[in-house]
Amino acid sequence: QKEVEQNSGPLSVPEGAIASLNCTYSDRGSQSFFWYRQYSGKSPELIMFIYSNGDKEDGRFTAQLNKASQYVSLLIRDSQPSDSATYLCAVKDDSWGKFQFGAGTQVVVTP
Amino acid sequence: NAGVTQTPKFRILKIGQSMTLQCTQDMNHNYMYWYRQDPGMGLKLIYYSVGAGITDKGEVPNGYNVSRSTTEDFPLRLELAAPSQTSVYFCASSRTGGGNTEAFFGQGTRLTVV
Repeated sequence: QKEVEQNSGPLSVPEGAIASLNCTYSDRGSQSFFWYRQYSGKSPELIMFIYSNGDKEDGRFTAQLNKASQYVSLLIRDSQPSDSATYLCAVKDDSWGKFQFGAGTQVVVTP
Repeated sequence: NAGVTQTPKFRILKIGQSMTLQCTQDMNHNYMYWYRQDPGMGLKLIYYSVGAGITDKGEVPNGYNVSRSTTEDFPLRLELAAPSQTSVYFCASSRTGGGNTEAFFGQGTRLTVV
């Protein structure tokens, strides 16, 4: 059974600080990784994807991938109250085109 | 610019009733998915489709059926509703199955079985 694991939180972060979210996955052959943000009562929306080892930056967000250790992380710099949401890690099975999601980490940014 | 559209947004069913959740996408995506999300949980894959006429089971298919007669539409059928099917259902689509193509989600259907 392939698994994607995340700490459920909540992760409380002061406004302006860095939020660090982690995700581990069990399928060593996985190649594509996605971070989604989901506000309460809304549908998930893509923040960014990563498929190469190392860092990928997009604005205040940085995704980090380490395939040898089978983890992917998301950093949110200069956290804002609008970043308060649940962040879902997703691993894509490129052979079958299926996305497997972690349970999500709830982030709460406090003013 | 509709994307993925789901109907209805909310529904209350009685135990034993049946219903169809509608999903349509206008992006000409080949892959479509149905997920359910229980409170505090991630998304669990119910069924998916790689193209018109082709569907396959996900992690939690029991109690559900799907069909894919066109590229655009991917309805989810609930037969004999049970309280365990109370959940939020999301339909999603993706252009291809491989690589870095993301999934786009509909607005969700909140279903309560009483």
